Amino acid sequence: GDSVTQMEGPVTLSEEAFLTINCTYTATGYPSLFWYVQYPGEGLQLLLKATKADDKGSNKGFEATYRKETTSFHLEKGSVQVSDSAVYFCARTHTGNQFYFGTGTSLTVIP
Amino acid sequence: DTAVSQTPKYLVTQMGNDKSIKCEQNLGHDTMYWYKQDSKKFLKIMFSYNNKELIINETVPNRFSPKSPDKAHLNLHINSLELGDSAVYFCASSPSRGNTIYFGEGSWLTVV
Repeated sequence: GDSVTQMEGPVTLSEEAFLTINCTYTATGYPSLFWYVQYPGEGLQLLLKATKADDKGSNKGFEATYRKETTSFHLEKGSVQVSDSAVYFCARTHTGNQFYFGTGTSLTVIP
Repeated sequence: DTAVSQTPKYLVTQMGNDKSIKCEQNLGHDTMYWYKQDSKKFLKIMFSYNNKELIINETVPNRFSPKSPDKAHLNLHINSLELGDSAVYFCASSPSRGNTIYFGEGSWLTVV
């Protein structure tokens, strides 16, 4: 069935390191793809999104490109900061305005 | 103004009690949701309403009953609380033809 798979964590990086969190999807049709971020003790916030193939979503230095050929939407950031420590969720739309979320990847950035 | 607001933020209660969590959105969205997040951060959809009508009802014990008095509100009532109900419950909303979902800040439920 349709789903979202993202890399398992936790991920620990030093400040200014390069970040990649992998996300792949299975789908019939052409879903919209999202990354949400959850900071400690807070709800989920939309980080970025892409609605069609080859679109690139970007926000706060994070980027992800909708790759139809590899069914992927990997999240990247060139230089992480301590304040980026959070749980990151990949998500996709489904029919009937439903959303599928990945299992979340916990990121800890150490000074 | 908070777009999706839910109350209470924290709730500690004893097993067997009945409790409610309220949710309101001021975004004018047609669709509202309840999600449950467990201790491993896994998000599971519980219910979805579109214009006050139930459209998603995942496998959830019937002790959980959502109620939508109007399209801006979706409350969650839980009967006979169990230890396993301890989790964070998120309310969310989205436009009916839109494709971004907006979350509330969560309600931390602890059953003791």
